[in-house]
Amino acid sequence: EDQVTQSPEALRLQEGESSSLNCSYTVSGLRGLFWYRQDPGKGPEFLFTLYSAGEEKEKERLKATLTKKESFLHITAPKPEDSATYLCAVPDNYGQNFVFGPGTRLSVLP
Amino acid sequence: EPEVTQTPSHQVTQMGQEVILRCVPISNHLYFYWYRQILGQKVEFLVSFYNNEISEKSEIFDDQFSVERPDGSNFTLKIRSTKLEDSAMYFCASNRDRGNTEAFFGQGTRLTVV
Repeated sequence: EDQVTQSPEALRLQEGESSSLNCSYTVSGLRGLFWYRQDPGKGPEFLFTLYSAGEEKEKERLKATLTKKESFLHITAPKPEDSATYLCAVPDNYGQNFVFGPGTRLSVLP
Repeated sequence: EPEVTQTPSHQVTQMGQEVILRCVPISNHLYFYWYRQILGQKVEFLVSFYNNEISEKSEIFDDQFSVERPDGSNFTLKIRSTKLEDSAMYFCASNRDRGNTEAFFGQGTRLTVV
């Protein structure tokens, strides 16, 4: 069965304090890894897609990286508006839909 | 920027009643999905739809659930006889290709069954 795990479950940072979130997956034949941001009561908002080990993508203070078994979302000098739950997802073995991880709830304090 | 829109944003219904959740996917997308998220839990796949038929469904998507694309723009999820445990956020999503390209999600419908 496809498994996606994320750590930590929750993370509190001071504004400007950089850190990383982890997403580990066990799927056969990775067809992409997707990062989403979810604000409370809202739908997931697409951030990045990574397809191959060594690939990196950046957007503002966020950088996503991918290895063969995990992905990291690095947050550099975060601001309070970066507070959200960050979800990662991978396509299932049929490539039809996403299997989501449980998310990391990030709080950035001013 | 194109977006997936869902209505209503919040629906309260009595147990045993039928509900229809509506979605307008992004216009040039071909694959449509429903996911749900029970409060505090993971986003879970319900069903995918392509070429006017279900292409995959999860164990959650039992006979009480159905989907339809009644015209060229709307995509609906019907729950025939709601149960308390159906209370959740329901998200519609669409993408231009199968699950190996990014899917775009709507803002969700919060369904509360009382």
